[in-house]
Amino acid sequence: DQQVKQNSPSLSVQEGRISILNCDYTNSMFDYFLWYKKYPAEGPTFLISISSIKDKNEDGRFTVFLNKSAKHLSLHIVPSQPGDSAVYFCAASVEYGNKLVFGAGTILRVKS
Amino acid sequence: SQTIHQWPATLVQPVGSPLSLECTVEGTSNPNLYWYRQAAGRGLQLLFYSVGIGQISSEVPQNLSASRPQDRQFILSSKKLLLSDSGFYLCAWKQGHEQYFGPGTRLTVT
Repeated sequence: DQQVKQNSPSLSVQEGRISILNCDYTNSMFDYFLWYKKYPAEGPTFLISISSIKDKNEDGRFTVFLNKSAKHLSLHIVPSQPGDSAVYFCAASVEYGNKLVFGAGTILRVKS
Repeated sequence: SQTIHQWPATLVQPVGSPLSLECTVEGTSNPNLYWYRQAAGRGLQLLFYSVGIGQISSEVPQNLSASRPQDRQFILSSKKLLLSDSGFYLCAWKQGHEQYFGPGTRLTVT
């Protein structure tokens, strides 16, 4: 069963504009949500996270929004840069981070 | 600072051969350690995790096994590889609520 879903396989954005990556989940017991960025043939890099008791967390150009009633979270990147082009994975935590459940990923392409 | 190493970086093995992938972590003690696999075009699937020496939890039944012989060492093994074992294998360690990943091993079973 896919507890974490990223329904958009890919997204193309112009440099300088906003990138919005979306993620839906089904398990209301998830206690933490994370976003990772991955380049080909490399391990994922942690970007930003949010506790289930918050609705927004911001770190520089990256902001994550959580809508618990809709079981939806999103990652906003503003402004988008060509170096942001990568695969972005949404992940949800159970047992306080002891287990992460990952979405299938969204390929972001930022065009210059 | 903490660093995580994996080797080899790439591996091509025939069907039926054994496998041993190694992961080591530096700069931390008694970390939670994890093995994930990413199949082509898919997300990351948790295979095993360990909260301490000799303690292994298996998430997905398959022909792989894991061991933790030392505090900062985590090994993924197989006695006989299948074609379906091909993929990108990632080791990770946990700090707080986050997990941090190694560089990965690309395994191709032929």
